[in-house]
Formats: sequence, C-alpha cells, structure tokens
Amino acid sequence: ILNVEQSPQSLHVQEGDSTNFTCSFPSSNFYALHWYRWETAKSPKALFVMTLNGDEKKKGRISATLNTKEGYSYLYIKGSQPEDSATYLCASRSGGYQKVTFGTGTKLQVIP
Amino acid sequence: DGGITQSPKYLFRKEGQNVTLSCEQNLNHDAMYWYRQDPGQGLRLIYYSQIVNDFQKGDIAEGYSVSREKKESFPLTVTSAQKNPTAFYLCASSLGTGVYTQYFGPGTRLTVL
Repeated sequence: ILNVEQSPQSLHVQEGDSTNFTCSFPSSNFYALHWYRWETAKSPKALFVMTLNGDEKKKGRISATLNTKEGYSYLYIKGSQPEDSATYLCASRSGGYQKVTFGTGTKLQVIP
Repeated sequence: DGGITQSPKYLFRKEGQNVTLSCEQNLNHDAMYWYRQDPGQGLRLIYYSQIVNDFQKGDIAEGYSVSREKKESFPLTVTSAQKNPTAFYLCASSLGTGVYTQYFGPGTRLTVL
C-alpha cells in the first residue's frame, strides 16, 4: 500500500484569508495526481488532475502545483470564502500500481 | 441526467447477515470502484473493476465480494466474514484507470447492530 499523506489534517481560516495545504506521495514511477473537493453531505468532486512535473492548474480562486521529483503537490485557495469549507482530498497513482491511493484529506473551515 | 447512484443511503443489518450495496452509473464508464471510509482515515479501496466481467481486489478486500455482469452496475456484498462492517461506503466510476477522474456516488452508511 502506498503512503499518500496530507497536511494539515484540519485548518480554520478567516474569510478573505489565503491558505494552502500539502499532499505528499511516492515519487517513483509517478503517473498522476488528483485533487478532489468533498463538501459535507455531498459526493467528492474532482478539482484537478496533474501528470507532469511543474504542472500548475487553476480554477477560479483555487490553484495547484505539482513536483513529481520530490513527490509533493500544493493546493492554494486565494481569498477563502465560507463556501470553500470542505475536505480536500488528493489521490496519487505511483509505483506501478493500477489504482490511485487517497490521502486522509485536509478539512478546511472558513469562518465568516 | 448522467450520474452515479447508490442505494440505500442508510442501511441497518444484524450481525452475521450478508448485505448487498447497490451502485449504478449511466456515464458509460468502463472502470468502477468501491471505497470504505472510517473516521480519521482516507478512502480505502475495497475492489475495482476495469471492464465488465473482471474485477481486482483492492487494499481491504477481505470479507467483501463484488460482481460486474453489466457495465453500468457494480454491487458490493458485505459478508458476515467482514470483522468491522459498520462504515461509510462510496462507489465511483471513471472512463479508465490511473489518470482519469473518478465520479463518486452519494454513499451508503452501513450500520451493523
């Protein structure tokens, strides 16, 4: 089983603050890195998929970067809003596995 | 309306009984997955299927069984051999494996009494 780790486990920020969190994954035989957003009482929804070292993806106020050589990805949220409150999951396919492995998630709470 | 559905949303069973969780998708996806979530843990893969009539064990397959007789359906049976079946179960599908985004159902919360 691969280890995909996310930090911090949880985070409280004030509305308007910018924030970021980390996903670490095995760098050997890297194939793809996914970010998902999971709001309470809803299904996880895809944010980004990245495959190339140095990839940067952006969707509105949310962006992500990828470093496959050192095995990490950052997710950034600029000017956090209460509707950004959710658990953010990353998932990696690495090491020759045919399946992705999910991290435990970072739970973000944006305080109005 | 395309999507992935799971039923029921909540399920209660007595210890020792087998129970089957439903997962259906109309996205024409080849790959389907079953995950389990427990408090404080990430999504753990139970079984996955890359194509009809084929499926592979995930990381925690013991005590579970699946079938993939139709492209759109991937039911999961939680057997009496599963030591701690009470959990939240999520089904997902994707066009293929690896780089493809997974689309998730709403989940089933199973409680074994």
